Amino acid sequence: GQNIDQPTEMTATEGAIVQINCTYQTSGFNGLFWYQQHAGEAPTFLSYNVLDGLEEKGRFSSFLSRSKGYSYLLLKELQMKDSASYLCASMDSNYQLIWGAGTKLIIKP
Amino acid sequence: GAVVSQHPSWVICKSGTSVKIECRSLDFQATTMFWYRQFPKQSLMLMATSNEGSKATYEQGVEKDKFLINHASLTLSTLTVTSAHPEDSSFYICSARDPSGGADTGELFFGEGSRLTVL
Repeated sequence: GQNIDQPTEMTATEGAIVQINCTYQTSGFNGLFWYQQHAGEAPTFLSYNVLDGLEEKGRFSSFLSRSKGYSYLLLKELQMKDSASYLCASMDSNYQLIWGAGTKLIIKP
Repeated sequence: GAVVSQHPSWVICKSGTSVKIECRSLDFQATTMFWYRQFPKQSLMLMATSNEGSKATYEQGVEKDKFLINHASLTLSTLTVTSAHPEDSSFYICSARDPSGGADTGELFFGEGSRLTVL
C-alpha cells in the first residue's frame, strides 16, 4: 500500500535549526513535496524534489533520497512565525499526491 | 504566482440544508481541481478530483450524492454539501494545478479553505 510517515509533533527553539523527516512508500514516484500549513489556513508550497540531493531555498532546505524513500525538510534560523504544520506528500505514478498526516512544529522563545 | 480563490471562508448552516462552496482559479485555466476535507489535527483527505466538462472522480468512501461537484468552466469548480449534518462540519479546501507549470511538477495552489459548521 501507499504510506507516508512523518513525526506528529516537534518542538524547537527560536533561532535554532530543526529537521523534519519523512519516509514514503508509493506506487511509483514522481516527486516529493513539502507544504506549510498554519492553523486554520490552507497549505502553501515550500519545495519539490524529484532528484536525489539537497535543494536550498533561503532558510528552508529539502533533501531527497529515492533509494531510501526518505526526505527531510530543514529549517534554519527558526522564527516564531515558522510555528505551523509541515506536510510531506509524495506524487505517485498517476501524478496523485499522497499526503502525510503532517508534523506540527512548535517554536519556543 | 498562480492564485486560487475559495468562497465562502466561513459558513454556518442548519442541519438538513445544502451549502455550496466555490473554487476559482484567478489567473490560469485549471482543467483539474481537487477537493479536500480536513478534520482538526488531521491531514488533508482527498475527496474528489474535479474534471472540467466531465464527471468528478470520487475517492473511496466519499458519497457522490452527498458531495456534488460541478466543474462547469476552466476557472470554476463548486462543491455542494447536500443535506448537511453536524458530522459534515469540517475544513474544506480546493486546489488546482497550473498546467503551464507542466503536469509533472505537480505544484498545487490551494484556495483559502472554507470552514463549514453544521448546527
